[in-house]
Amino acid sequence: AQSVTQLDSQVPVFEEAPVELRCNYSSSVSVYLFWYVQYPNQGLQLLLKYLSGSTLVKGINGFEAEFNKSQTSFHLRKPSVHISDTAEYFCAVSTYNQGGKLIFGQGTELSVKP
Amino acid sequence: DTEVTQTPKHLVMGMTNKKSLKCEQHMGHRAMYWYKQKAKKPPELMFVYSYEKLSINESVPSRFSPECPNSSLLNLHLHALQPEDSALYLCASSQDPKGQGIYGYTFGSGTRLTVV
Repeated sequence: AQSVTQLDSQVPVFEEAPVELRCNYSSSVSVYLFWYVQYPNQGLQLLLKYLSGSTLVKGINGFEAEFNKSQTSFHLRKPSVHISDTAEYFCAVSTYNQGGKLIFGQGTELSVKP
Repeated sequence: DTEVTQTPKHLVMGMTNKKSLKCEQHMGHRAMYWYKQKAKKPPELMFVYSYEKLSINESVPSRFSPECPNSSLLNLHLHALQPEDSALYLCASSQDPKGQGIYGYTFGSGTRLTVV
């Protein structure tokens, strides 16, 4: 079975500072990895995904993530955050044999302060 | 059209009521999903439809009854719910009718359900 661990439940950061949200996964088969963002009272929006190939993935809103197979990690980074990045961020994993099911981590609340 | 539209956005219902949630997409996606999300928690999968057929039911109580009348529409019928069923119900769709898990989802904004 697959599992996802987001290592930080809350990350406070000042505006224009860099940020890293950490995600580790566990799986016995090859995985597809995703980061989603959820703004208050909204659904989830796909930030980026890793399927195969280059381990550095660029997404929307200036976010990027790096897949590290040896460390089973998929950390999300942004070099300079804005107040508008304040939201809940979910890392998720799927595999070819789970019927398209996404397994989500517990989420990281990013709070950007002025 | 790159959206998943959910209606209503808010719903308050009594424990003896019958209500339905509606989800619509016009992206040609043939896989559609219902997720339940409690406050400060990740979404939990309830149902998966692939080519309008139910392919996954995550042991959801029978008071939740999904329906997929056509490739663009997904309903969730609610009956005799409990207060603990209060949550945000999210619909999603994907270009993934074979269940390969490689495309990710497009989510709707959800229906916030309160059971009183």
